[in-house]
Amino acid sequence: NAGVTQTPKFRILKIGQSMTLQCTQDMNHNYMYWYRQDPGMGLKLIYYSVGAGITDKGEVPNGYNVSRSTTEDFPLRLELAAPSQTSVYFCASKPRTGAFNSPLHFGNGTRLTVT
Amino acid sequence: AQKITQTQPGMFVQEKEAVTLDCTYDTSDPSYGLFWYKQPSSGEMIFLIYQGSYDQQNATEGRYSLNFQKARKSANLVISASQLGDSAMYFCAMREGLTGGGNKLTFGTGTQLKVEL
Repeated sequence: NAGVTQTPKFRILKIGQSMTLQCTQDMNHNYMYWYRQDPGMGLKLIYYSVGAGITDKGEVPNGYNVSRSTTEDFPLRLELAAPSQTSVYFCASKPRTGAFNSPLHFGNGTRLTVT
Repeated sequence: AQKITQTQPGMFVQEKEAVTLDCTYDTSDPSYGLFWYKQPSSGEMIFLIYQGSYDQQNATEGRYSLNFQKARKSANLVISASQLGDSAMYFCAMREGLTGGGNKLTFGTGTQLKVEL
């Protein structure tokens, strides 16, 4: 059971470049999330989705875009990368059933450096 | 105001001792849930324990227990009989039921725990 899979694990970008962080889950979870974790800090929500075709902004959406065309995939797009986007990015998911006490299932993260 | 506050950036504990990691929260939603996650140096996020706002008893999961004081809005994690493998960053997080769309979690800034021999 793969769970939540993120690719790539590491990436270095130059300022102004673009890239897509991939996230896929095989648990048929409706809810999916993207968080970023800056060094020594907690996780901040970038975007989330409650199902295919539905996305919404989190706390820190500027500079990012998402799409959710299938239940399994929730890619995060960085346009015009900036040094402030240097962070570790986590994708997470949860099922709709048992909604309230269900924990988030996290991927292993993507470490992104923008120089 | 911060929704989740963890005031201890770092903590040390002797092996086999118990340790309490503090978490206070702020919400006006009557329905909410509190979660604790562990993040070892390898970076993955591991779910530890959950407490619901309507739960009458404190949650327990093995060596982890949650000291839930609703009136004080605190949900402290207690780790009993600490082990070297407990050395990690610990995050408290909250899900708000009525006001929190998407069932999302809001995280605190974490407490770095170091278990010493």
